[in-house]
Amino acid sequence: DAGVIQSPRHEVTEMGQEVTLRCKLISGHNSLFWYRQTMMRGLELLIYFNNNVPIDDSGMPEDRFSAKMPNASFSTLKIQPSEPRDSAVYFCASSFIASEQYFGPGTRLTVT
Amino acid sequence: GEDVEQSLFLSVREGDSSVINCTYTDSSSTYLYWYKQEPGAGLQLLTYIFSNMDMKQDQRLTVLLNKKDKHLSLRIADTQTGDSAIYFCAERRSEGGGNKLTFGTGTQLKVEL
Repeated sequence: DAGVIQSPRHEVTEMGQEVTLRCKLISGHNSLFWYRQTMMRGLELLIYFNNNVPIDDSGMPEDRFSAKMPNASFSTLKIQPSEPRDSAVYFCASSFIASEQYFGPGTRLTVT
Repeated sequence: GEDVEQSLFLSVREGDSSVINCTYTDSSSTYLYWYKQEPGAGLQLLTYIFSNMDMKQDQRLTVLLNKKDKHLSLRIADTQTGDSAIYFCAERRSEGGGNKLTFGTGTQLKVEL
């Protein structure tokens, strides 16, 4: 298995632009997690899904952030409009429900 | 407290043992995990322990669990330069269906020659 796949690996954009991050789950996994990592705040859980249904989005910073699972193996995290304070590394992870999580390589987002 | 706590830094010499400590929050947490993050990479699952165990050994890694004190440790024997990374502990709390992991702040391990 290729593991969790994220794209792009790096994204540089200007403030105000829309950013879409993508994640492909490990085949057969049914839970999907989006995290954000910064030096200041460490690793934060933004949102997670079980069987394509959002379960907990309490970590989503504000309405500018949205996440979807259009099918069982794929998810997007969208930021619109982006701001410099959104600069971070964004990870997705997948698992079987209530099992260990496997992380993707991350997307490094820089908003100028 | 609400936070999973780890010391920020640890420096050891190559060949020595490293011990990374973690204090977690929920006495009913079912599983506890150790992840490794190398520069520019995602978190890699190293090992985990079920809450009814006191110890788990996997090659150079030994995990010790003290449920009474809610203390978890990771011992790396014969530490190598390739072990230099950030190590995160995480607990699977029982709340909310038990699917979320709560991560510590991470301990940066530096291995010196």
